[in-house]
Amino acid sequence: ILNVEQSPQSLHVQEGDSTNFTCSFPSSNFYALHWYRWETAKSPEALFVMTLNGDEKKKGRISATLNTKEGYSYLYIKGSQPEDSATYLCALNSGYSTLTFGKGTMLLVSP
Amino acid sequence: SAVISQKPSRDICQRGTSLTIQCQVDSQVTMMFWYRQQPGQSLTLIATANQGSEATYESGFVIDKFPISRPNLTFSTLTVSNMSPEDSSIYLCSVRQATGELFFGEGSRLTVL
Repeated sequence: ILNVEQSPQSLHVQEGDSTNFTCSFPSSNFYALHWYRWETAKSPEALFVMTLNGDEKKKGRISATLNTKEGYSYLYIKGSQPEDSATYLCALNSGYSTLTFGKGTMLLVSP
Repeated sequence: SAVISQKPSRDICQRGTSLTIQCQVDSQVTMMFWYRQQPGQSLTLIATANQGSEATYESGFVIDKFPISRPNLTFSTLTVSNMSPEDSSIYLCSVRQATGELFFGEGSRLTVL
């Protein structure tokens, strides 16, 4: 059983704050690392799929980095907005067709 | 991208009953995936629904409890049988794109009393 850990479990920030969360995974089982955003009552939405060590991806105010050697990825949100409030999930693809998800980081951004 | 319609969006069920969740995709896909998220837990894969063959179940999930149908390349159902309160979860169907990312339905939130 693969262990994908996310921290913190939850986070409450003020509008305009920048924030980041961590996803850690067993580096020996790495094929790809996914990030998803899941807003309440909506579908989880893919943010990034990362495959290369040292890779950095960006979508608007959200960016992610990847370290496959030490087994972690960071997700950053710059200048958080209330609409960023969601649960952020990371998932490990270890080379098979399935993903192993972490429990997520629940972000609440207050106006 | 794929558009996935899932229903029901939510339901409250009595212990011992069964409920079937439907998933419709707007394009033909080979594999459809059924996930479950119990309260406070990770999204967990239940099974992969393959058209023309039996579903492939993950460890801890069995066909008698979660029978799956896949009559064509755009549709699948998941039945949660003989429900107990432990089955209270969000159930999601998903498909995988060529890039590897998953597209999900909006989920079916089940509460079992």
